[in-house]
Amino acid sequence: QKEVEQNSGPLSVPEGAIASLNCTYSDRGSQSFFWYRQYSGKSPELIMSIYSNGDKEDGRFTAQLNKASQYVSLLIRDSQPSDSATYLCAVSGSQGNLIFGKGTKLSVKP
Amino acid sequence: DTEVTQTPKHLVMGMTNKKSLKCEQHMGHRAMYWYKQKAKKPPELMFVYSYEKLSINESVPSRFSPECPNSSLLNLHLHALQPEDSALYLCASSQEGTAYNSPLHFGNGTRLTVT
Repeated sequence: QKEVEQNSGPLSVPEGAIASLNCTYSDRGSQSFFWYRQYSGKSPELIMSIYSNGDKEDGRFTAQLNKASQYVSLLIRDSQPSDSATYLCAVSGSQGNLIFGKGTKLSVKP
Repeated sequence: DTEVTQTPKHLVMGMTNKKSLKCEQHMGHRAMYWYKQKAKKPPELMFVYSYEKLSINESVPSRFSPECPNSSLLNLHLHALQPEDSALYLCASSQEGTAYNSPLHFGNGTRLTVT
């Protein structure tokens, strides 16, 4: 059974701090990695995709991938209360489908 | 605004009803997906259509019946549902036929309640 593991949280950080979200996956053949943000009652929204080892930055968001360690992370700099949401890590499976982690709930306190 | 449109936004149906959920995308994407999401849980894959052909069926009960009339449209036909089928039903699409190097874009979902 292919798995994607995330710490469910809640992760609480003060406004302006860096939030660090982590994800591990079991399938060494996975090629594509995504982070989705989901507000309560809403649908998931793609915020980052990463396909090769290293860092990828987009505004306040940085995704980091280490395929050898089967680890992917998301850093959110200068966290804002509006970043409070559940963050879902998703990894491509062997059939080309997406496997989601259970999500990490982030709370940014003003 | 999402480029994947789902209708209706909310649906309440009895266990003997037949209803359909609709999904439409005009991004030229080659794959479309149905996911089911219960509260405080991640999305669960139900079906994948790749190039208008059913490519993945995650052992979903037959009371859920998908249909892909063309590359832009995806339906989910519902009949004889159970109260435990109440959930948020999400449609998504991806540019390529699979999720390899091709992120999924989700619609706003249909909130289904079975009474």
